[in-house]
Amino acid sequence: DIQMTQAPSTLSASVGDRVTITCRASQSISRWLAWYQQKPGKAPKLLISRASNLESGVPSTFSGNGSGTEFTLTISSLQPDDFATYYCQQYNTYWTFGQGTKVEFK
Amino acid sequence: QVQLQESGPGQVKPSETLSLTCTVSGGSVTSGNYFWNWIRQTPGKGLEWIGYFHDSGGTNSSPYLGSRVSVSVDTSKSHFSLRLTSVTAADAGVYYCARGYYDVTGLIFQHWGPGTQVIVSS
Repeated sequence: DIQMTQAPSTLSASVGDRVTITCRASQSISRWLAWYQQKPGKAPKLLISRASNLESGVPSTFSGNGSGTEFTLTISSLQPDDFATYYCQQYNTYWTFGQGTKVEFK
Repeated sequence: QVQLQESGPGQVKPSETLSLTCTVSGGSVTSGNYFWNWIRQTPGKGLEWIGYFHDSGGTNSSPYLGSRVSVSVDTSKSHFSLRLTSVTAADAGVYYCARGYYDVTGLIFQHWGPGTQVIVSS
């Protein structure tokens, strides 16, 4: 099965910061990668599909990049509502999630 | 806008069967080209796909959970269900139902229920 590894596990940042989260796949998944945002006590929310396609309603401060085995999620200017945990999910072969990256207040 | 809501007992005894239901509103499990999924979030494995029902494709479940899982749909087509047999402490966590779609090679989970907490304890 394809393992997804995210880094860092926790990221401390301030409002206005540029933040980048990395997701690595154990084998090539082309661009079949999604990103989700999860807030405490809530279900995950789909942000991005196909590595870089923003879902409707997702702020343009979010962007995704990458292909093959290495991917990034970038928040260009962190907003108060963006403090959450972010997960990547591959859907090249079955579908598996990364372990998550928590973005917390510095 | 489709909405999903999980329901079921919050606590199950070890070795018994967990049964959960997902009620769908604003849509039908037989309409469109969607997949109706169960996903869980456990302390041990994080987010883990469990299985799905698809109106024309039948059901599928995680090879890691094997024959312990069954996903079914109610004849009224307004809800679908999960049965997980022989539960252990490792099965404790939050269980979500989610509507997904197939993006060429695999599933993306677009709409989620709020989740239901499951405790495994005697």
